[in-house]
Amino acid sequence: AQSVAQPEDQVNVAEGNPLTVKCTYSVSGNPYLFWYVQYPNRGLQFLLKYITGDNLVKGSYGFEAEFNKSQTSFHLKKPSALVSDSALYFCAVRDSGTYKYIFGTGTRLKVLA
Amino acid sequence: SAVISQKPSRDICQRGTSLTIQCQVDSQVTMMFWYRQQPGQSLTLIATANQGSEATYESGFVIDKFPISRPNLTFSTLTVSNMSPEDSSIYLCSVDGGSSYEQYFGPGTRLTVT
Repeated sequence: AQSVAQPEDQVNVAEGNPLTVKCTYSVSGNPYLFWYVQYPNRGLQFLLKYITGDNLVKGSYGFEAEFNKSQTSFHLKKPSALVSDSALYFCAVRDSGTYKYIFGTGTRLKVLA
Repeated sequence: SAVISQKPSRDICQRGTSLTIQCQVDSQVTMMFWYRQQPGQSLTLIATANQGSEATYESGFVIDKFPISRPNLTFSTLTVSNMSPEDSSIYLCSVDGGSSYEQYFGPGTRLTVT
C-alpha cells in the first residue's frame, strides 16, 4: 500500500532562515509526489510536484523540493522563510491506478519574526 | 487549472438534521473527490464521484450517511445525513487535473454540529 509520512507535527524557524519540512514516501512503481499548503480557513493550494525529470523541483512562493529516490524522501525547502509562510503543509502521493491522493498528516510551519 | 467554489462556506447545524454541500467547477472534469478534514487533522477521502456512475466510497464511509450526486461534469453535491457532533469538520471537494496530475481544491465548507 502506498503511504506518506511527515514525521514532524510542527516546525519552527526564524524569519530569514532556511526551512525544511520533511516527507518520506512508500509506493510501488514510480512516485508522483506533491506539496500543498493550507492557510487558516482556506482550501489547499498547490505548491509543487515531482512526476519525472530533475530531482530538484521549483514551485510557487520560492519553495522547492528535492526528490531522493534512495532515501524515498521529498523534503520541502525554502532558502529564506517569511512570516507569511506560516501555514499547514501537506505532502501527498498520487495513486497511479485510481488517481487518488494519499496525504501525509501535515506539518504546521511557524515562522517567527 | 480549475476554479472551484463551494456552498455554503460554513454552517452550524442541529444534531439529527442533514446538510447538502455544493461543489461547482469552472470547467468540465471527469473525476471529483470529496474529503473530510477534522480539526487539526489531515484530509481523509470520503468518496470519488464520476459523472454518470455511482460514487465510490472509501472504507468507513457509506452512501446512507454521505450520499453524493454528480449530475454533470461541472457539479457535485455531498449530503451529510443525520448529523452528530462527530461530523463537525471541514468538507472539501477537489477535481483531478488530468494530464497535470494535480488536484485542485475548493475552499471548503466548515460544518459545526451542535
